[in-house]
Amino acid sequence: DQQVKQNSPSLSVQEGRISILNCDYTNSMFDYFLWYKKYPAEGPTFLISISSIKDKNEDGRFTVFLNKSAKHLSLHIVPSQPGDSAVYFCAARGSGGSNYKLTFGKGTLLTVNP
Amino acid sequence: DSGVTQTPKHLITATGQRVTLRCSPRSGDLSVYWYQQSLDQGLQFLIQYYNGEERAKGNILERFSAQQFPDLHSELNLSSLELGDSALYFCASSVDPSGIQNEQFFGPGTRLTVL
Repeated sequence: DQQVKQNSPSLSVQEGRISILNCDYTNSMFDYFLWYKKYPAEGPTFLISISSIKDKNEDGRFTVFLNKSAKHLSLHIVPSQPGDSAVYFCAARGSGGSNYKLTFGKGTLLTVNP
Repeated sequence: DSGVTQTPKHLITATGQRVTLRCSPRSGDLSVYWYQQSLDQGLQFLIQYYNGEERAKGNILERFSAQQFPDLHSELNLSSLELGDSALYFCASSVDPSGIQNEQFFGPGTRLTVL
C-alpha cells in the first residue's frame, strides 16, 4: 500500500517557467513533509520541508504548499533553471512514539529545457 | 556534500554471499537510517538507530541486520544474498529524531549488484 504517491513520473518545463510537482498521501498521521532532489549517482539532497501546522513554506525559488484536507502537497519552482533537472522525491514523516522514518514517493523526473 | 559517507561505492557479489555496508553520519548526528532503492521503486525505509540503539524497523528482511557502534558509525549486513537484493542502499543521518524539524541528510549510496 503506497502511502505517498507521486502520480507523474516525469515533467518537462521550459527554462524560466514554473515547475509544479505534486504529491498525495493517505496517512493522516503524517505530520511533517519534505522534498528531496536527487541527481544520478548521488544521494537525495534535502530541499524544503513543511510542518502539518502550516500551509505554505517558501525558500528562495522553492515553495511548498500543503492542503491537509485534500492530503495533497505541491512543490513550486519559480523560475525553473536547467540545473533543477533531477528526480524529486516527496517524503512524509509519521508522528508519535519513536517512528521518525520517512515514507517516500517514487519520484518525479523534472527536465528543464533551455 | 551532505557530510554522510558510505563505503563501498559499488559492490558486486554472488548469490548466497554476505556483505557489509558502512555508513558514517554527519558530525554530531546521533540517528542513522538505512534505505533501499530498487529499480523503479522509491526509497524504502529499512531500519533506524539512535545513539547505538535500534529505534524503528521498516521493511527489513530477516537476512538483513544492522548495528550502530559507539562512535556512531553504522553497518548494514546483508546475508544469503539473492538476485532481488540488487539495489542502491542509502544511509541517512539526523541530529535527533525527536526534533520537530529534523531533516535527514543522505549519503551517496552503495550500489549492490548480486550476480
